[in-house]
Amino acid sequence: AQSVTQLDSHVSVSEGTPVLLRCNYSSSYSPSLFWYVQHPNKGLQLLLKYTSAATLVKGINGFEAEFKKSETSFHLTKPSAHMSDAAEYFCVVSDRFGSGYALNFGKGTSLLVTP
Amino acid sequence: DAGVIQSPRHEVTEMGQEVTLRCKPISGHNSLFWYRQTMMRGLELLIYFNNNVPIDDSGMPEDRFSAKMPNASFSTLKIQPSEPRDSAVYFCASSRRTSGDTGELFFGEGSRLTVL
Repeated sequence: AQSVTQLDSHVSVSEGTPVLLRCNYSSSYSPSLFWYVQHPNKGLQLLLKYTSAATLVKGINGFEAEFKKSETSFHLTKPSAHMSDAAEYFCVVSDRFGSGYALNFGKGTSLLVTP
Repeated sequence: DAGVIQSPRHEVTEMGQEVTLRCKPISGHNSLFWYRQTMMRGLELLIYFNNNVPIDDSGMPEDRFSAKMPNASFSTLKIQPSEPRDSAVYFCASSRRTSGDTGELFFGEGSRLTVL
């Protein structure tokens, strides 16, 4: 099964500074990778998705992620953090179940943005 | 579009009682997923349906858990009997899956279950 490892359980940044959330994946073939965000007491929302097209993927709210096969990484970045970015972020890999697919989630990284 | 609709949003019950969680996926979506989220284990895939057929239920904890999808617009997750360790937030998600692509998952807002 494919899996992802989110290297930090908590990240704290000041408003206006860059954000880096790290994710490494393990895969026996070309994976589809995603980042989802979860705000408190809410469901998860897709930020961006990589499916073997451009390696630099742009998402919503100014986030982007770069697929690096040599490093098996898919880190999430944003140039300038906003208070509203405080949330839980999940790195996700697509896994194959027979003829079907499902998504395997990382443990999550909690992003705290301070004024 | 109304999005994925889950009910109830909150449920508090006593150990041993039957719990039924409900999900209405987005119209036109052909895949439905049930996930469980806890602090200890994070997000766990319980079961996955494609075109109303269960594809993989290896994540279902034990026989006390069962899930059905009688038609394309409705699914249930049942726990009988419930135990305190079942306390968690249960998410339903749906997607329009095409060949070779999972498609984006759209999540409901979750059902928070507390078993006393």
